[in-house]
Amino acid sequence: QKEVEQDPGPLSVPEGAIVSLNCTYSNSAFQYFMWYRQYSRKGPELLMYTYSSGNKEDGRFTAQVDKSSKYISLFIRDSQPSDSATYLCAMSEAAGNKLTFGGGTRVLVKP
Amino acid sequence: NAGVTQTPKFRVLKTGQSMTLLCAQDMNHEYMYWYRQDPGMGLRLIHYSVGEGTTAKGEVPDGYNVSRLKKQNFLLGLESAAPSQTSVYFCASRSVFPLENNNEQFFGPGTRLTVL
Repeated sequence: QKEVEQDPGPLSVPEGAIVSLNCTYSNSAFQYFMWYRQYSRKGPELLMYTYSSGNKEDGRFTAQVDKSSKYISLFIRDSQPSDSATYLCAMSEAAGNKLTFGGGTRVLVKP
Repeated sequence: NAGVTQTPKFRVLKTGQSMTLLCAQDMNHEYMYWYRQDPGMGLRLIHYSVGEGTTAKGEVPDGYNVSRLKKQNFLLGLESAAPSQTSVYFCASRSVFPLENNNEQFFGPGTRLTVL
């Protein structure tokens, strides 16, 4: 069983809809949680970063962490075609430690 | 400021051939990483380096070697390529300084390698 599980999708939504993405994990030592966005044939880029449990909002993006359930989420409000990409969750036990990635969820926002 | 660059962008090898992938970063980062990305598998760490002259094994190091002779460069070598090494390879770098998030890794554009 993988340490971090993520539904591969694809997840297809109409423009303007809310996109909901999530990851589950098994390692209770994970403390730092990240979401990376990867456009087709490009390298991943950091989108959101949270420490421990709680919510973090940045514009149209909201990241949530529920450590008791070992579950993290990313919500994209008012989705745009430019949000079409693969979203990877990543986690680490301590700041600066190696990252463990989920397999990524492909998202397609249709105009 | 080019960030992280990778050479080459594409390569096709025959089984048993060797090659070297080059990663360069101009951000003066101490840490550098090599990952491979396969469908549904996410990014898996091959090798990493915490500074010039140092290297360490990651999650899937077999069949690969690395060198970090200069701080800005990190080389990934395949001595005898196998079809199982067909993948997209990403290099990343990170600063050690305690910024708000020193977990952030900056990725290159990737190298698509096919081994026939």
